[in-house]
Amino acid sequence: AQTVTQSQPEMSVQEAETVTLSCTYDTSESDYYLFWYKQPPSRQMILVIRQEAYKQQNATENRFSVNFQKAAKSFSLKISDSQLGDAAMYFCAYIRQGAQKLVFGQGTRLTINP
Amino acid sequence: DTGVSQNPRHKITKRGQNVTFRCDPISEHNRLYWYRQTLGQGPEFLTYFQNEAQLEKSRLLSDRFSAERPKGSFSTLEIQRTEQGDSAMYLCASSPRASGGQGYNEQFFGPGTRLTVL
Repeated sequence: AQTVTQSQPEMSVQEAETVTLSCTYDTSESDYYLFWYKQPPSRQMILVIRQEAYKQQNATENRFSVNFQKAAKSFSLKISDSQLGDAAMYFCAYIRQGAQKLVFGQGTRLTINP
Repeated sequence: DTGVSQNPRHKITKRGQNVTFRCDPISEHNRLYWYRQTLGQGPEFLTYFQNEAQLEKSRLLSDRFSAERPKGSFSTLEIQRTEQGDSAMYLCASSPRASGGQGYNEQFFGPGTRLTVL
């Protein structure tokens, strides 16, 4: 069975600085997708960034970028120029190609200090 | 707002009572998902519909749980004889019909229904 592990229950960063959230996963599949979702307090979860496993190039979305290491099964999220609005729970998630079930990690609570 | 909506947002019930939650997906999304999120954990998959057909169910979905999507639009999740362990956030998500060549369709999440069983 596929599993996703986020080893940092909480992280904090000063506003305008850079923070990296870690994620590792376990799968025997070769075709899959990885995601980072953001869940603000009392608000719905939104997709921050996605990475296709077959792509070697790391995905980037504005201030958000990933470091995808397929052999190591590692998928970290880097947030540059942190803003107060980035404060939220962040979940790493995996889905096998052709499947419908997202598998989530335990989450990392990110606090932004002004 | 044309996002996924869920009602009620909060539900408090006594152990042993039945509860029903509703999810309205984004219009024209043919796939609908239910997840459960307990405090301090990530969401866990419960079940998935394509149109009105329930195509996959997790082992987490015990006999006390039933989900329906009668007309391929909104969905309901019912929990019978609630237990304190059922206390959680129940999330609904929807995704559009698969388009040619795209390997994955994004799941859009609703705000969730928080259930507290006393």
